[in-house]
Amino acid sequence: AQSVSQHNHHVILSEAASLELGCNYSYGGTVNLFWYVQYPGQHLQLLLKYFSGDPLVKGIKGFEAEFIKSKFSFNLRKPSVQWSDTAEYFCAFGSARQLTFGSGTQLTVLP
Amino acid sequence: EAGVAQSPRYKIIEKRQSVAFWCNPISGHATLYWYQQILGQGPKLLIQFQNNGVVDDSQLPKDRFSAERLKGVDSTLKIQPAKLEDSAVYLCASSLVAGDNTGELFFGEGSRLTVL
Repeated sequence: AQSVSQHNHHVILSEAASLELGCNYSYGGTVNLFWYVQYPGQHLQLLLKYFSGDPLVKGIKGFEAEFIKSKFSFNLRKPSVQWSDTAEYFCAFGSARQLTFGSGTQLTVLP
Repeated sequence: EAGVAQSPRYKIIEKRQSVAFWCNPISGHATLYWYQQILGQGPKLLIQFQNNGVVDDSQLPKDRFSAERLKGVDSTLKIQPAKLEDSAVYLCASSLVAGDNTGELFFGEGSRLTVL
């Protein structure tokens, strides 16, 4: 069965710290990979996506993610977080039939 | 461009009662999804429509949940009778591309259900 694992349930960082959120998926076929973000009080929105090509993808607000096929991973990174990055982050992958989400990581950035 | 609209935003009911949620997707989006998000978990797909036909309802508890999209535009999700474990946020999403889970979904703000 396909699944997505996010390693950290809650991450707390100070402003300007670097961020890396882990994501691993379990699926044998071709996948499309995504990170979604949900800011407090707002709806889920797409942060970035990977379909093919360059495994390092850049998204909005300075976020990037790297697809490592051999490790079945798609980790999210940002070199310097801001207080406004406080949100819940969901990794997801799309197979032929479904879009499967991880359980989410709550990021709290302290000013 | 208007986003995905959902109502009500909040609903509190007692177990064994019924509830209905409504969703109006972004204009022109062929595919509509209902997700259930239980506290501490990621969204789980309940049902996916392409226009007014069901593409995937394999994870919909059909003994109590039903959904329809009669005219291929807005949709309703009904729970009857509700159980305590149905407490969750019900998310509606839509996408432009029909029948292809490329992940470019646009979500509504969700309907939070509390079952007492």
